[in-house]
Amino acid sequence: GQQVMQIPQYQHVQEGEDFTTYCNSSTTLSNIQWYKQRPGGHPVFLIQLVKSGEVKKQKRLTFQFGEAKKNSSLHITATQTTDVGTYFCAVPTGNQFYFGTGTSLTVIP
Amino acid sequence: DAMVIQNPRYQVTQFGKPVTLSCSQTLNHNVMYWYQQKSSQAPKLLFHYYDKDFNNEADTPDNFQSRRPNTSFCFLDIRSPGLGDAAMYLCATSRAHRTETQYFGPGTRLLVL
Repeated sequence: GQQVMQIPQYQHVQEGEDFTTYCNSSTTLSNIQWYKQRPGGHPVFLIQLVKSGEVKKQKRLTFQFGEAKKNSSLHITATQTTDVGTYFCAVPTGNQFYFGTGTSLTVIP
Repeated sequence: DAMVIQNPRYQVTQFGKPVTLSCSQTLNHNVMYWYQQKSSQAPKLLFHYYDKDFNNEADTPDNFQSRRPNTSFCFLDIRSPGLGDAAMYLCATSRAHRTETQYFGPGTRLLVL
């Protein structure tokens, strides 16, 4: 079955520091999505990556899809307190998407 | 403007007492999903509907059932809730399988006493 691991599980950073979370799959992926879930909230779609080596940016967020389409990363530059939450990758398997284990980000003011 | 609506937001039930959670959508999406999310864990897919076609995950307990009477509504029935079923239940929709964004509702937090 699909194995999707995210590292780290938890990350505490000082406000202004950078943050990166990695999503690794045991199989080649057709595409990957990233979601953010604020504490007490629901997952909210951030982006989808489809092409090998693809890089997409949303303001301070940079998303990458590996050349082999087995891994992906989300990098946040100069974190802010509004970045607090859990970041999940979601990958297709069978007909559906399954969520990775998530990385919980805490930003210390 | 609400696109995926879940009612109620909080539900308290007794051990073994059937409970129904509801989800509605204004997006006219083909696919509706039910996820279970326990504290500090990733959402776990229970089942989904593509139109009227029901797709159950292999490890979803028989205690969980679902109904989709029309495009807009989907229900999650828990026939005999146990203490281990206490969780956040998230409904999501997408236009089609795999390649489409999933839009989540706010969730229903279930407490089993």
